[in-house]
Amino acid sequence: QVQLVQSGAEVKKPGSSVKVSCKASGGNFKSYNINWVRQAPGQGLEWMGGIIPIIGKGQYAQKFQGRVTITADESTSTAYMELSSLRSEDTAVYYCARDLLPVGLGDPWNGMDVWGQGTTVTVSS
Amino acid sequence: DVVMTQSPLSLPVTPGEPASISCRSSQSLLHINGYNYLDWYLQKPGQSPQLLIYLNSNRASGVPDRFSGSGSGTDFTLNISRVEAEDIGIYYCMQALHTPHSFGQGTKLEIK
Repeated sequence: QVQLVQSGAEVKKPGSSVKVSCKASGGNFKSYNINWVRQAPGQGLEWMGGIIPIIGKGQYAQKFQGRVTITADESTSTAYMELSSLRSEDTAVYYCARDLLPVGLGDPWNGMDVWGQGTTVTVSS
Repeated sequence: DVVMTQSPLSLPVTPGEPASISCRSSQSLLHINGYNYLDWYLQKPGQSPQLLIYLNSNRASGVPDRFSGSGSGTDFTLNISRVEAEDIGIYYCMQALHTPHSFGQGTKLEIK
């Protein structure tokens, strides 16, 4: 059974950075794309970006360009999301979620079918 | 960016009755391969979101067949044939064709 386990809650000062990890187990990390989605308190879901670990290049929503860096370490099956220049509006639960890379004649997109448990990041002075 | 608009935002339903949620996108989600890149997710209280439907009408593994998705282009619908108490939560549509992926505002389903 595939699981994504995220790092623990963080409290950060405005202007600082946070790095959240997402460790995959029970599957083949090389067959995934890892997405990062955040949810501000009482708000909806917002896609931040993603990475295909075997390619290693992150793709980001324009809103976060220049502030977010998504990386992956195949040797430990772990993806990371680092957000810099934190402000109070970045207070949110951050989720990682995988989607399976398309294979052969299968479906070209399989949805984000496995999610991490979420990491609460609080930005406060 | 593609804007996803859901309606209604609140949906009180009697158990055993059907329910329907609409999702509209500001751009077509129909790829030249013939697939509509539209997903539905459910976030139950206190939990991470879970995938219900992908590519408009494909149920994810383990999702009951009372859930179905339909539509094409810019107009999509999630139908629940007979709502059960365990279906409460917030339902989100999400488009996966354009970058950035984008979610609807969410529809809160509650039991009457």
